[in-house]
Amino acid sequence: DAGVIQSPRHEVTEMGQEVTLRCKPISGHDYLFWYRQTMMRGLELLIYFNNNVPIDDSGMPEDRFSAKMPNASFSTLKIQPSEPRDSAVYFCASSRQGYGYTFGSGTRLTVV
Amino acid sequence: DAKTTQPPSMDCAEGRAANLPCNHSTISGNEYVYWYRQIHSQGPQYIIHGLKNNETNEMASLIITEDRKSSTLILPHATLRDTAVYYCIVSPAGNNRKLIWGLGTSLAVNP
Repeated sequence: DAGVIQSPRHEVTEMGQEVTLRCKPISGHDYLFWYRQTMMRGLELLIYFNNNVPIDDSGMPEDRFSAKMPNASFSTLKIQPSEPRDSAVYFCASSRQGYGYTFGSGTRLTVV
Repeated sequence: DAKTTQPPSMDCAEGRAANLPCNHSTISGNEYVYWYRQIHSQGPQYIIHGLKNNETNEMASLIITEDRKSSTLILPHATLRDTAVYYCIVSPAGNNRKLIWGLGTSLAVNP
């Protein structure tokens, strides 16, 4: 298995632009999580899905953030419009019930 | 709010056992203890988890005290590649859906 695949690995964008981060979970995993990591706040859960359905989005910072999971093999996290304070590493992870998470390699987002 | 307490940093000599402590004095009866680690610039990696019994896998051993208020992750023969931040997390009802991540322990394995 190739693991959890995230793209792009690095993204540099200008303030106000739309940013879309992509994630392919491990086949057979029915949970998908989006996390954000910064030095100041550590790892924060943004949203998670179960069987493609959003279960808890209470960690999404504001309406500028949205996430979708149109099928079991793909999810996106969109930021529109982006702001410099959104700069962070964004991780996607997947799991099966009762098992540990498998994380992707992350997307390092820089908003200038 | 993190429900665990870990020392911010530890050192260990290569080849020796690394014993990483975690305090979770408010753990509930149905909460599991999970351990993850994060090597620099990578995503966190699952290590092991347990409820009340000690657990062992190919990566590490997890020792949970009888009262479940603390645990220790043991890396039996630490290598330089074990240098990472180690996170101890308690999760409600055995599901790992909403893990609350603290600051972890930064382990440095020295040659």
